[in-house]
Amino acid sequence: DAKTTQPPSMDCAEGRAANLPCNHSTISGNEYVYWYRQIHSQGPQYIIHGLKNNETNEMASLIITEDRKSSTLILPHATLRDTAVYYCIVRGLGGTSYGKLTFGQGTILTVHP
Amino acid sequence: GAVVSQHPSRVICKSGTSVKIECRSLDFQATTMFWYRQFPKQSLMLMATSNEGSKATYEQGVEKDKFLINHASLTLSTLTVTSAHPEDSSFYICSAPGVGTGRGNTIYFGEGSWLTVV
Repeated sequence: DAKTTQPPSMDCAEGRAANLPCNHSTISGNEYVYWYRQIHSQGPQYIIHGLKNNETNEMASLIITEDRKSSTLILPHATLRDTAVYYCIVRGLGGTSYGKLTFGQGTILTVHP
Repeated sequence: GAVVSQHPSRVICKSGTSVKIECRSLDFQATTMFWYRQFPKQSLMLMATSNEGSKATYEQGVEKDKFLINHASLTLSTLTVTSAHPEDSSFYICSAPGVGTGRGNTIYFGEGSWLTVV
């Protein structure tokens, strides 16, 4: 799976949008971009994933650039409970590595009042 | 709600003893599950792939005789830390690929299990 690069930390004011960037310049055509977050002392929580089109669900929006080399996770109205480590992961869906995720260091998002 | 559940959430054991952690897929069958380990302030590291009905596949550097994995049914995988030592103290997390409409292509994680070896 392709490697991803994320800023180590970001701050966001409560109620504002949090925009978390991720670079994945070596992504291949059949690899998806996944986002997970991990709140302290809990297992990772799935947020959203996409291939090339922008995606939105009840938690967040995912914006993928046209060349697919980078993406941005958007939390439209951040709350204090969104403080967590956010992981951007590139993953293929086939082969022997199906289901296996490689975690980088992620971005520590701190939402402050 | 949770679709992958782990038990126990926290366990303390004495050095030299063994401890078993369970990972269950609650409403779907998982022929494959994954076990990760996470030390404080570090990212998750994949330990092994648990395969239903066959031997687990271990990542490089993970001792298969120390971390015994059993996947005897389609909804249960267990990780047994044998002859535990204080350096085995960590957060252990399992995951399973979701199946079916709305869950396919998503990997679900358990709540994690904190192991402290004293």
